[in-house]
Amino acid sequence: GIQVEQSPPDLILQEGANSTLRCNFSDSVNNLQWFHQNPWGQLINLFYIPSGTKQNGRLSATTVATERYSLLYISSSQTTDSGVYFCAVVRGEYGNKLVFGAGTILRVKS
Amino acid sequence: EAGVAQSPRYKIIEKRQSVAFWCNPISGHATLYWYQQILGQGPKLLIQFQNNGVVDDSQLPKDRFSAERLKGVDSTLKIQPAKLEDSAVYLCASSSGVTTQYFGPGTRLLVL
Repeated sequence: GIQVEQSPPDLILQEGANSTLRCNFSDSVNNLQWFHQNPWGQLINLFYIPSGTKQNGRLSATTVATERYSLLYISSSQTTDSGVYFCAVVRGEYGNKLVFGAGTILRVKS
Repeated sequence: EAGVAQSPRYKIIEKRQSVAFWCNPISGHATLYWYQQILGQGPKLLIQFQNNGVVDDSQLPKDRFSAERLKGVDSTLKIQPAKLEDSAVYLCASSSGVTTQYFGPGTRLLVL
């Protein structure tokens, strides 16, 4: 099946710093989503981005489908950005099953 | 718009007991998913429903897990009998077709 690799596995930032999280996938995909899992376990949708670039406030994401990677940018990080960031992809022939990476643990210190 | 609802939020049981989880998807979403998230890992799909039909249950341990979505809306996931390795968060998600999936708050299960 498709493999999803995220890097770095964990990251510690000072409040106000910027960061880039990477997601590599091993095959073509129909769908790619980025999620933030907060300390209470809730998975929050950040982006639905099978290709192209999107921005939402301090967050932006870029997916280059032909090169099989996606990037999530966090600018001016805040302590509330702490948590686990997951990338998940869908291969069309498997229904709409999301295959998740292992996640990046982000800690933002004040 | 109300999000995906799940209950209970927490459950502690002893091994070999049975347990059931409930999910109510976002109104109008025909597709419903159950994922299992073991501590330190990303969620893994257990079963996907399209209305009340099963689309994918290839990773559901069918000897102990069962799920149903009788009227194409609410769904229940059951484990009988539970094992220690079933300790995890069980996440329900829904979507309108092959688009963005929205997740509920999850049920944290601890099997002792």
